Amino acid sequence: GAGVSQTPSNKVTEKGKYVELRCDPISGHTALYWYRQSLGQGPEFLIYFQGTGAADDSGLPNDRFFAVRPEGSVSTLKIQRTERGDSAVYLCASSPHGAGGQDTQYFGPGTRLTVL
Amino acid sequence: AQSVTQPDIHITVSEGASLELRCNYSYGATPYLFWYVQSPGQGLQLLLKYFSGDTLVQGIKGFEAEFKRSQSSFNLRKPSVHWSDAAEYFCAVGATSGTYKYIFGTGTRLKVLA
Repeated sequence: GAGVSQTPSNKVTEKGKYVELRCDPISGHTALYWYRQSLGQGPEFLIYFQGTGAADDSGLPNDRFFAVRPEGSVSTLKIQRTERGDSAVYLCASSPHGAGGQDTQYFGPGTRLTVL
Repeated sequence: AQSVTQPDIHITVSEGASLELRCNYSYGATPYLFWYVQSPGQGLQLLLKYFSGDTLVQGIKGFEAEFKRSQSSFNLRKPSVHWSDAAEYFCAVGATSGTYKYIFGTGTRLKVLA
């Protein structure tokens, strides 16, 4: 079946602009995660959704970052007033149940965000 | 706090040689442990995972990993490396309670010489 998809694959924007990154999880997966991967680093957790609600948003770096999942499927990560330091690959993952760490997360290909 | 250390940033091996990638973790209990591989332009692909039971786990593409509680390690091994194994490898820890996020190491980039 189809895996996790993310659009766009690449996004170039100017400092101060607003961007939206989209994630389509695997059909039927109730849990959805966003991570950020900076150059030379491992992915860092941003936010976790169980259904429509954000169960853990402790990884969001500041209030410029926001994510929604209104119908419990597709999620959008929103970044306001982008800064050059926001440049990274944003990864989305989904898992079937979100039942603790035993639930394997399946990752999308990522969106590479470049802020000029 | 949970953490994962991958001491080797880069590793180069010859095709056909054996491989071991190191991973050490810090966690208050036995965590859930994962190895992922990331090829250029690709998403993270799960190689194998450890939750409990047999400490030697088999994964895809001929990889295996061994959980050693006494050393807080979960090293990834492959007896004979293929050129297509060149990629970046990430070890990750998943909590056994509370938050469900993964904590990743910084990765090891594998280069394979023909």
